[in-house]
Amino acid sequence: DVKVTQSSRYLVKRTGEKVFLECVQDMDHENMFWYRQDPGLGLRLIYFSYDVKMKEKGDIPEGYSVSREKKERFSLILESASTNQTSMYLCASGPGDTDTQYFGPGTRLTVL
Amino acid sequence: AQRVTQPEKLLSVFKGAPVELKCNYSYSGSPELFWYVQYSRQRLQLLLRHISRESIKGFTADLNKGETSFHLKKPFAQEEDSAMYYCALRTNSGYSTLTFGKGTMLLVSP
Repeated sequence: DVKVTQSSRYLVKRTGEKVFLECVQDMDHENMFWYRQDPGLGLRLIYFSYDVKMKEKGDIPEGYSVSREKKERFSLILESASTNQTSMYLCASGPGDTDTQYFGPGTRLTVL
Repeated sequence: AQRVTQPEKLLSVFKGAPVELKCNYSYSGSPELFWYVQYSRQRLQLLLRHISRESIKGFTADLNKGETSFHLKKPFAQEEDSAMYYCALRTNSGYSTLTFGKGTMLLVSP
């Protein structure tokens, strides 16, 4: 059974703080993704990675960066959190040769 | 650029009634379409993909390239079908990523 885990279910940070969201998958998947999920806006792709140390911008990368030092771990970084980054963040992973994405439980981030 | 449109934010039906969740897409190439579902307090998961032409939990979806649609249908809704449904489009150009619609919340009342 595919397992995608995220480091926190709920997180509260202050404006200007540096925030790290961690995602780990245990299925040796090549592909990993970070989305934010907002009511009325659906899922929007922030960044994705097809291999270790490789990253590509998604549709809304501004204000975010990512790191993939190991195949199983994909981190999302908010360099200086702002209130408009309050959202649900979803991580997903998938095998390199298929289109299927497996999602983590999400991290609900609140920036005060 | 590709786009997925789900025109209804909320669809409310009674148990036993037919359900159709609409999805339209915009993409100049050959699309692959998916439906993902998120039940309350659960993670987002794949429901079905058009290339499989399968029925999952009684749901079916047919890709209509002429109308650029991929509507999700079920003849008799159940209360456990209540969830958020997302239509997604996979493109075949460049990196293969999914573009999601804004989602439709389905509420099935007893």
